Amino acid sequence: DTGVSQNPRHKITKRGQNVTFRCDPISEHNRLYWYRQTLGQGPEFLTYFQNEAQLEKSRLLSDRFSAERPKGSFSTLEIQRTEQGDSAMYLCASSHRDESYEQYFGPGTRLTVT
Amino acid sequence: AQKITQTQPGMFVQEKEAVTLDCTYDTSDQSYGLFWYKQPSSGEMIFLIYQGSYDEQNATEGRYSLNFQKARKSANLVISASQLGDSAMYFCAMREGGYNKLIFGAGTRLAVHP
Repeated sequence: DTGVSQNPRHKITKRGQNVTFRCDPISEHNRLYWYRQTLGQGPEFLTYFQNEAQLEKSRLLSDRFSAERPKGSFSTLEIQRTEQGDSAMYLCASSHRDESYEQYFGPGTRLTVT
Repeated sequence: AQKITQTQPGMFVQEKEAVTLDCTYDTSDQSYGLFWYKQPSSGEMIFLIYQGSYDEQNATEGRYSLNFQKARKSANLVISASQLGDSAMYFCAMREGGYNKLIFGAGTRLAVHP
């Protein structure tokens, strides 16, 4: 069990550019969550997948954000036309529906928009 | 709406002493769960302990225990015999809804002094 992995770990981009992050959950975990954490705050929920279906999206997820989980394995989070307010840590977590409620978090992708 | 409140932005404790980190929550659900996560400076979220709303006994995991007072809607984390490696941010969280997304508090930064 290698844990949840996220790539890249750091991303610096200019305002207006598009960025894409990847999350590889623990194998056989069918639940996958994306959270965003800004400096000095706790993580905030963005979206949830059960297998390949995106079942819930936060109002924080504007139309510039899109997430996918093809084939119910890895997931990608894309931000189009980035803004400075998008600078944050993007955390991915996974869990197994039939086990405990514990969510296993990845190391996060830190995005800086200049 | 569900809410988590952590009123201590920062806490100091002497090594080997016990420390209590406060967490209060607000929910109208009868079934809910409360978590504590540790976030070191490296950024990853580490699961510490979980308490279900119907659990009659306080949860314990090694040096961590959760002081669950349902009537007061509090779920304080107690760390016994603090170690230097316990220095980190600590987040209280509640699972919400059928998909178990987590709602986090703002966190408490704990510093353990030798």
